[in-house]
Amino acid sequence: AAGVIQSPRHLIKEKRETATLKCYPIPRHDTVYWYQQGPGQDPQFLISFYEKMQSDKGSIPDRFSAQQFSDYHSELNMSSLELGDSALYFCASSLAQRGLGAFFGQGTRLTVV
Amino acid sequence: GDSVTQMEGPVTLSEEAFLTINCTYTATGYPSLFWYVQYPGEGLQLLLKATKADDKGSNKGFEATYRKETTSFHLEKGSVQVSDSAVYFCALIPPGGGYNKLIFGAGTRLAVHP
Repeated sequence: AAGVIQSPRHLIKEKRETATLKCYPIPRHDTVYWYQQGPGQDPQFLISFYEKMQSDKGSIPDRFSAQQFSDYHSELNMSSLELGDSALYFCASSLAQRGLGAFFGQGTRLTVV
Repeated sequence: GDSVTQMEGPVTLSEEAFLTINCTYTATGYPSLFWYVQYPGEGLQLLLKATKADDKGSNKGFEATYRKETTSFHLEKGSVQVSDSAVYFCALIPPGGGYNKLIFGAGTRLAVHP
């Protein structure tokens, strides 16, 4: 079965640079979620989209932005990167039906040096 | 606000031992409850879920029962294997929240040795 695809799997950037993370949801899933997981931490919700519109916003820094495109893939854009942005970034997708849970990709490991 | 509290790890067990990982939650109304598992270097996998009180979720020998009276959703397995070594996250979807926006507990690391 098709899963959530994230790219790249690993990314190394320098401070103050920009990064773009991509997410391809499970086919027919209309909702995408982005999470950030620091070392030894639980995933923290950043932002979500439903039918290409932002549906919820969590602890996403102003330096980050995201969007969902017409083909339902999503991109997380991160600018003016800081050392503290080093983390695993997960994308998850679901249908817009409460209680199904969300299905996660393998994540992108971002290292800021 | 809504939150999940898990027992601290690591939990270290011998193969074939009985596993319990405690999870309690705080939420208004009836949240949906989940257990996710994260193997080293991988994403989170949905292990099991329950959407209403007294429901039992089960998968791969793991099970958890939604207890409204104790606001708990403890994860159990009768006989663990080395391959069960991973980090386990309890999570909830609040009743009034986004469709499947998850709030996670801190995670419990399980190490099973032969």
